[in-house]
Amino acid sequence: EAGVVQSPRYKIIEKKQPVAFWCNPISGHNTLYWYRQNLGQGPELLIRYENEEAVDDSQLPKDRFSAERLKGVDSTLKIQPAELGDSAVYLCASSFLGPTRTQYFGPGTRLLVL
Amino acid sequence: RKEVEQDPGPFNVPEGATVAFNCTYSNSASQSFFWYRQDCRKEPKLLMSVYSSGNEDGRFTAQLNRASQYISLLIRDSKLSDSATYLCVVGRGGKLIFGQGTELSVKP
Repeated sequence: EAGVVQSPRYKIIEKKQPVAFWCNPISGHNTLYWYRQNLGQGPELLIRYENEEAVDDSQLPKDRFSAERLKGVDSTLKIQPAELGDSAVYLCASSFLGPTRTQYFGPGTRLLVL
Repeated sequence: RKEVEQDPGPFNVPEGATVAFNCTYSNSASQSFFWYRQDCRKEPKLLMSVYSSGNEDGRFTAQLNRASQYISLLIRDSKLSDSATYLCVVGRGGKLIFGQGTELSVKP
């Protein structure tokens, strides 16, 4: 069974540029998460989707970050404009039937903002 | 203060050693507890869930003390392949909250 797929794996951009990350969850997983992991820290939740609905986006910096999960399958996370402090690994995870179930993480997108 | 705090690392141990990781959480409403493992430049993967009665999976033993809000992970007979960062995780209000991780390096 294929795992969580993310692209791109690496991205280098200059500050103030836009960037987008894509995630395809494990087939049948209705819950999808975006996390940000800074160096030396654990992942921090940005947004959680149950099917198409964003049920927890309290930690998403809405002035510059946006996300969508059309049709309740794959998802896109966007940053516009990027800032130096956005340099991090952006992880997508999915689970079946909500956050109390095991979350499976994708390999992440490593973003460097110059 | 972070909601989930772990021992600062790194831990450097020889093969065969027993090593213990400690973790505390600050919110008594936390409902579920886990240890995740993260290899260098890889994604986190579930190592084991943690139950109040304590649970064991081979060389790994996890303990939870709800009264003290304390979680532990014991690794016996360490292997080189155990080298990784171990993340303490609590579930609360529909989300997972991760600790900062403790790095383990097992040397020959």
